Amino acid sequence: QQQVKQSPQSLIVQKGGISIINCAYENTAFDYFPWYQQFPGKGPALLIAIRPDVSEKKEGRFTISFNKSAKQFSLHIMDSQPGDSATYFCAAAYSGAGSYQLTFGKGTKLSVIP
Amino acid sequence: DAGVTQSPTHLIKTRGQHVTLRCSPISGHKSVSWYQQVLGQGPQFIFQYYEKEERGRGNFPDRFSARQFPNYSSELNVNALLLGDSALYLCASSFLGQGTEAFFGQGTRLTVV
Repeated sequence: QQQVKQSPQSLIVQKGGISIINCAYENTAFDYFPWYQQFPGKGPALLIAIRPDVSEKKEGRFTISFNKSAKQFSLHIMDSQPGDSATYFCAAAYSGAGSYQLTFGKGTKLSVIP
Repeated sequence: DAGVTQSPTHLIKTRGQHVTLRCSPISGHKSVSWYQQVLGQGPQFIFQYYEKEERGRGNFPDRFSARQFPNYSSELNVNALLLGDSALYLCASSFLGQGTEAFFGQGTRLTVV
């Protein structure tokens, strides 16, 4: 049972364009939604995260949009650069169970072409 | 300030063998979690430890076990290795047991032959 569905699987964007990655979740108990960036051979690096009490969070060129009623959230990368080429994972967690486990999407491989 | 460190970085084992992977969390972090990442997939939760106690366990067989030491470092042990255990094993640390950012190490690439 996949609790976090991520799309698209791969994405090609021109330099300077906007990259948009979407995620949908099923478990309404989730209350923390981070995005991770992973380069080949490296561990995931935390990019930005949001909690369901806000609808949008922006950090530099990265913005998370959150729609609680639709159980969807998305990552927007503005002015995409070749250095942004990596695999991006959305994730979700809930803090009520006494444990802290992230449920990840399957990832989106982003390629930014010059 | 050092991030999450994992050792070894690469490992090749034979089917049926046992393996121990190690993780040192960020200084001051009390929680360590382990994830398995198969090629082309997102990480899957294996264990979480907080203050040396197991707080969560994912859907993995009993061949997988872990522990956390008084200095908050952690070991992941896998017995009777199968070919399907080949993956990148990731350790993540966070300050508290829940509700705070989790930071990952670079992982241990385990290949079972």
